[in-house]
Amino acid sequence: ETGVTQTPRHLVMGMTNKKSLKCEQHLGHNAMYWYKQSAKKPLELMFVYSLEERVENNSVPSRFSPECPNSSHLFLHLHTLQPEDSALYLCASSQELGRGPYSNQPQHFGDGTRLSIL
Amino acid sequence: SQQGEEDPQALSIQEGENATMNCSYKTSINNLQWYRQNSGRGLVHLILIRSNEREKHSGRLRVTLDTSKKSSSLLITASRAADTASYFCATDEAWVAAGNKLTFGGGTRVLVKP
Repeated sequence: ETGVTQTPRHLVMGMTNKKSLKCEQHLGHNAMYWYKQSAKKPLELMFVYSLEERVENNSVPSRFSPECPNSSHLFLHLHTLQPEDSALYLCASSQELGRGPYSNQPQHFGDGTRLSIL
Repeated sequence: SQQGEEDPQALSIQEGENATMNCSYKTSINNLQWYRQNSGRGLVHLILIRSNEREKHSGRLRVTLDTSKKSSSLLITASRAADTASYFCATDEAWVAAGNKLTFGGGTRVLVKP
């Protein structure tokens, strides 16, 4: 157990559906992240939240909408997705958002949601 | 282009042998981290080496960092079948005023044959 739980583990949806991915961390961390992992591409950072405030959205299409109601929960709301959005979506958390040259913030990952867009 | 790039992309060895993989990066970093990902699972943090450190050990893992060459290596000694996974390096670098970010490489797929 990594202390970060993602649900659902698998999701198949049509392009017109609306669904949400959920992430919950039991580590008392203050920073949470959404990443996208596609085949043959490096892990891509999508969103970062620190103390429930979004730090950056990294130019992610608006069909992805994050929500962080408290420091333990993170959601990714999906609507009108495209086939190229099929990927593994990973949530991670760290004690704090690392700052400066002496940062020491390993990230703890959930097992991801495998998303398939029909 | 990506910050961290692993080499080789794939590695196949026999149980008991050592596995070495390398990571190169382009810009200044605060620290470099290595992660493991088993098939169908999330990433697991293995080791973090700071920019002012040259070598670090953790169990059967040995990490080196050469900031002059902007490269790092991960050595797994006496490999086991359970070490079969993908291994990623991630560089911690300055990003926005609020903080740093991790940039991941494409990974090295390691297969340890029994």
